[in-house]
Amino acid sequence: KAGVTQTPRYLIKTRGQQVTLSCSPISGHRSVSWYQQTPGQGLQFLFEYFSETQRNKGNFPGRFSGRQFSNSRSEMNVSTLELGDSALYLCASSRGLASSYNEQFFGPGTRLTVL
Amino acid sequence: GQNIDQPTEMTATEGAIVQINCTYQTSGFNGLFWYQQHAGEAPTFLSYNVLDGLEEKGRFSSFLSRSKGYSYLLLKELQMKDSASYLCAVRDRIDDKLIFGTGTRLQVFP
Repeated sequence: KAGVTQTPRYLIKTRGQQVTLSCSPISGHRSVSWYQQTPGQGLQFLFEYFSETQRNKGNFPGRFSGRQFSNSRSEMNVSTLELGDSALYLCASSRGLASSYNEQFFGPGTRLTVL
Repeated sequence: GQNIDQPTEMTATEGAIVQINCTYQTSGFNGLFWYQQHAGEAPTFLSYNVLDGLEEKGRFSSFLSRSKGYSYLLLKELQMKDSASYLCAVRDRIDDKLIFGTGTRLQVFP
């Protein structure tokens, strides 16, 4: 079965712009988590959605937001982009909540560069 | 709060054994994961430990000691393709999150 897909794979934006990233989970998976990965900080949790509801949120400013649709697809939005937002954004899906044992499957990521 | 520590880099020789350590502090431990990430690729699941002891899966084994807040990933019969970053992640029951360490970059030399 198809894995987690993310679009676009690469994106270049300028400071002040906003961006929307998309994630399609594995069929049957209801949880989607988003992570930001940078060389210095590693993988940092942004938020998790389950059944269209945000279940948990990491320590990121309000410029980072997301949503999940009825088909479990999820989008992440970053407004007023800053240079420090340049990172690999990974989405991971799991059958159930990430808080219980459910293996997460990661997508290939979206590489965002802010100029 | 949570804190996860793992070495930044390690090197090893093809055919050898390497142990990657991970220490953690969390308010409500609810499981530890190891992921492998090749450069430019997504992390892939290696192992999961929630009880103390050793979990073996082929050339890879993972050990957990909850009382010591300690885990290790053991890689045997190293191959060149094992060159990758290895991420330790702890599930926190209180915060309801999966927290990742910064990863250990392993380089395997011939």
